[in-house]
Amino acid sequence: DAKTTQPNSMESNEEEPVHLPCNHSTISGTDYIHWYRQLPSQGPEYVIHGLTSNVNNRMASLAIAEDRKSSTLILHRATLRDAAVYYCIPGRPSTGGGNKLTFGTGTQLKVEL
Amino acid sequence: SQTIHQWPATLVQPVGSPLSLECTVEGTSNPNLYWYRQAAGRGLQLLFYSVGIGQISSEVPQNLSASRPQDRQFILSSKKLLLSDSGFYLCAWQGTYNEKLFFGSGTQLSVL
Repeated sequence: DAKTTQPNSMESNEEEPVHLPCNHSTISGTDYIHWYRQLPSQGPEYVIHGLTSNVNNRMASLAIAEDRKSSTLILHRATLRDAAVYYCIPGRPSTGGGNKLTFGTGTQLKVEL
Repeated sequence: SQTIHQWPATLVQPVGSPLSLECTVEGTSNPNLYWYRQAAGRGLQLLFYSVGIGQISSEVPQNLSASRPQDRQFILSSKKLLLSDSGFYLCAWQGTYNEKLFFGSGTQLSVL
């Protein structure tokens, strides 16, 4: 599995954009980059994923570096409800079926008024 | 729509007692199913995954076992709990042609 490096914590003010970085320098050519977030006492929630091109959905945007060794999750306007642990996870479907994703410790995002 | 149910929400068990956690999925067929554990302040550790009935893959050697007696039912068990089995247990499902994992609400297990 590709190793990832994320800041332990980040802070943001409400209504401001947030850029959450992730380094995955050992990523393989077929690994997708997944982002999940986990609110306190809840299971993780899918945010976004991509392979090479930047991706946008209603929750966030994902910017992937051209060499794919890093990516950035962008929350365009942070709200208090975005305070969570954000996980960056390289991974791909295994040949035996399933898609085993390894969650690290992620980045704790704190959002203040 | 698909839903995942996991129970109980919290559980306090003495050391040496058995464990059975159940997870069921509705609204889909032949899902991939996963059990994860999260120790306090740590990341999620994949324990077991299953791609079909009776098919279980174990990711780490441990005091736990898993079974999938029906297509949409995944059970995590232990014959004798250890203190180190305490943690937040999460079940997740994934569609056959879908990258996304959908998690249940979790079970907070305290072994005393």
